[in-house]
Amino acid sequence: QVLLVESGGGLVKPGGSLRLSCAASGFSFGDSYMSWFRQAPGEGLEWISYIGGTSSHTNYADSVRGRFTISRDIAKSSLYLQMNSLRAEDTAVYYCTKDPPLQGPPDFWGQGTLVTVSS
Amino acid sequence: QSVLTQPPSASGTPGQRVTISCSGSRSNIGSNTVNWYQQLPGTAPKLLIYNDNQRPSGVPDRFSASKSDTSTSLAISGLQSEDEATYYCATWDDSLNGPVFGGGTKLTVL
Repeated sequence: QVLLVESGGGLVKPGGSLRLSCAASGFSFGDSYMSWFRQAPGEGLEWISYIGGTSSHTNYADSVRGRFTISRDIAKSSLYLQMNSLRAEDTAVYYCTKDPPLQGPPDFWGQGTLVTVSS
Repeated sequence: QSVLTQPPSASGTPGQRVTISCSGSRSNIGSNTVNWYQQLPGTAPKLLIYNDNQRPSGVPDRFSASKSDTSTSLAISGLQSEDEATYYCATWDDSLNGPVFGGGTKLTVL
């Protein structure tokens, strides 16, 4: 079955960087669109970024464009999110998701990893 | 502010039928299929409905959904205490070129 396991969250100071990872299994990772979402404490779900199967197609939400970079290593079945210039408002649980073959909202969600940006 | 509009809260008693609405526009719900997710407290979202009205394996048939033009609604019949959760609608937006979500509806079982 599909399994997505995020890691790399933690406490970071404003202006700092963090790299999240998502280990994927149970499906054809190289053929799948993948995304990152986040959920601030007590808030709703916010899409951050997606990446296509060939890694050539990416897109970002305006709130993170220019600061965050999504990437994938097909050989390792892993998805990554490099987060730079972090702000307090980036504090959230970050989720990795598997998306449908044609672009659309996710099929499966990981359990999430908490990122806290605070001095 | 979410692209899709949901009521912030809903409630019902055990056994009742409740519906949760979700409205959008031509560029999202009006052009693409809709998913619904259930998020139990402290857990990740779980796919409840996909392709407007399809249930993944394991989702009880108490959950159903319908869509008309630029709106959709989730219905839960035979309400149970374990249905207490936050429910989100989601779809693709052709103008934004990304997925969009509703703000979530917190369902309370009285």
